[in-house]
Amino acid sequence: AAGVIQSPRHLIKEKRETATLKCYPIPRHDTVYWYQQGPGQDPQFLISFYEKMQSDKGSIPDRFSAQQFSDYHSELNMSSLELGDSALYFCASSLGPVTYEQYFGPGTRLTVT
Amino acid sequence: QKEVEQNSGPLSVPEGAIASLNCTYSDRGSQSFFWYRQYSGKSPELIMFIYSNGDKEDGRFTAQLNKASQYVSLLIRDSQPSDSATYLCAVNDANAGNMLTFGGGTRLMVKP
Repeated sequence: AAGVIQSPRHLIKEKRETATLKCYPIPRHDTVYWYQQGPGQDPQFLISFYEKMQSDKGSIPDRFSAQQFSDYHSELNMSSLELGDSALYFCASSLGPVTYEQYFGPGTRLTVT
Repeated sequence: QKEVEQNSGPLSVPEGAIASLNCTYSDRGSQSFFWYRQYSGKSPELIMFIYSNGDKEDGRFTAQLNKASQYVSLLIRDSQPSDSATYLCAVNDANAGNMLTFGGGTRLMVKP
């Protein structure tokens, strides 16, 4: 079965640079979630979109923004990167608010130097 | 206090034994409960979800939910070395949004 696709898988940036992470949900899934997982920590919710509209917002820094496009893929834009932004960034998708099961993509490992 | 609590472990069990993983949560409005398995450096993999009180079985896995006591557990029967991973409990309160709140995870080690 098709899974969530994320790109790139690895990204190295310097402080103060910008980064864009992409997420392609499972086909027919219309809800996308972004999570950040630091070393030794559990995933922390950042933001989610349903039908191209922001649905929930978590602990996402103001330096980050995200959107969902007409084909349901989503992009997380990160600016003025800081060393503390180094983490795994996961995208998950679900079949809208009808079901609550979220399926995670492989993640993007962001390293800020 | 964290909203979702798990014993960080490691929980060590011999191969073939039953592994019992526990999770407690503080939000009484929580409605949906999930168990994810995460290997080091990999993404969380959904292995069980449960919405109603009682037991739910799927192969070697059984999820148990007790909303009155605010705990959810995962039993893994006939544990295999390949089950060695971190198990994340996640909770959702749909009235507060569809995001998942995770526990810190329990590291399970299955020894041959």
